[in-house]
Amino acid sequence: KQEVTQIPAALSVPEGENLVLNCSFTDSAIYNLQWFRQDPGKGLTSLLLIQSSQREQTSGRLNASLDKSSGRSTLYIAASQPGDSATYLCAADSGNTGKLIFGQGTTLQVKP
Amino acid sequence: NAGVTQTPKFQVLKTGQSMTLQCAQDMNHEYMSWYRQDPGMGLRLIHYSVGAGITDQGEVPNGYNVSRSTTEDFPLRLLSAAPSQTSVYFCASSRRSGRPYNEQFFGPGTRLTVL
Repeated sequence: KQEVTQIPAALSVPEGENLVLNCSFTDSAIYNLQWFRQDPGKGLTSLLLIQSSQREQTSGRLNASLDKSSGRSTLYIAASQPGDSATYLCAADSGNTGKLIFGQGTTLQVKP
Repeated sequence: NAGVTQTPKFQVLKTGQSMTLQCAQDMNHEYMSWYRQDPGMGLRLIHYSVGAGITDQGEVPNGYNVSRSTTEDFPLRLLSAAPSQTSVYFCASSRRSGRPYNEQFFGPGTRLTVL
């Protein structure tokens, strides 16, 4: 059974820092891994999706990597801004069925 | 495109009442699913569908029913509401094929309180 873990649960950094959010999964037979952002009281916004055949994806200041052999994905945020403050969730799709297994999320606070 | 829409945004029920949470998407996505989000538990899959007429159970299906008569709509029915069903409910959809493979799009959520 796939399990997804995100550590730390919360992170506070000063504005301008580069930071890495971690996601680990137990079953390396994943179809893809998706990173989401969730603002308080809001829905989930897709940030990046990495297919199982890919090693990384980039969008603006965000870069996500995937290492299936070690069961890890990281989300790198460059030059963090207060507007990046949110909860970041990773989710694994193990079978191309639209069924996601989510981590608990990392709540990020970027201080001005 | 409106994307994934959910109604209502907020709902308060009494124990034992029934109701239907609506979900619709206008992206012609084959896959649709329902999740609930609870503090400390994260998001958990309730039911999902890979196409019209096809549904299956997720991790926490008890107390919920679904049907998928059209590609666009995937309503979630609470048969007899219980306080344990107090949660935020999210609907999601994705394509079965084509790049990017299976990127999930989420609706804004329905916040349900059962008294």
